[in-house]
Amino acid sequence: GENVEQHPSTLSVQEGDSAVIKCTYSDSASNYFPWYKQELGKRPQLIIDIRSNVGEKKDQRIAVTLNKTAKHFSLHITETQPEDSAVYFCAAALMEYGNKLVFGAGTILRVKS
Amino acid sequence: NAGVTQTPKFRILKIGQSMTLQCAQDMNHNYMYWYRQDPGMGLKLIYYSVGAGITDKGEVPNGYNVSRSTTEDFPLRLELAAPSQTSVYFCASSYNRGNQPQHFGDGTRLSIL
Repeated sequence: GENVEQHPSTLSVQEGDSAVIKCTYSDSASNYFPWYKQELGKRPQLIIDIRSNVGEKKDQRIAVTLNKTAKHFSLHITETQPEDSAVYFCAAALMEYGNKLVFGAGTILRVKS
Repeated sequence: NAGVTQTPKFRILKIGQSMTLQCAQDMNHNYMYWYRQDPGMGLKLIYYSVGAGITDKGEVPNGYNVSRSTTEDFPLRLELAAPSQTSVYFCASSYNRGNQPQHFGDGTRLSIL
């Protein structure tokens, strides 16, 4: 089911611009929200995560924001570079699924140079 | 540490054949997971395990079986392979709860012809 919805499905940006990907979740008791980057033919790799007791977390050019009231969280990439091109997956640990991660459908990010 | 190791990397099966996908982790993680990723799609949970001797179904368990006799190993068994099982299979592990970062293996690319 669509317990974690991710938008947009594809995103093209010019090198140097910012990219924002948004996810919504259904379970208000969810408490953990990771983001994964998957390059073509490779495994998903964790790039940043946030827990429900924090509203924002930054790591160099990437940041994640969480709005618990609205039940959505977003990935922000600033000063995008060609090597940021990949598929990005959000996930949420949903209590209704035994606190296991449920993944969004993914966003294909293309950074044009 | 090798992390999560999956074998084989590639395999072609004929319809009706059986095979076992191997997964091993050396991080002393209790939780292990099997996902499938169809082309252009997200990750769907097949089975998971919270410790040796304990396994449970995920979202898409039909056609698969698992076992967990040790903390390190979590093999996935396909019986009577069908074309619908053509996919990339990822094994992952996390420390001791579902709401922890998951570490993925490099995947097994399986084609059923």
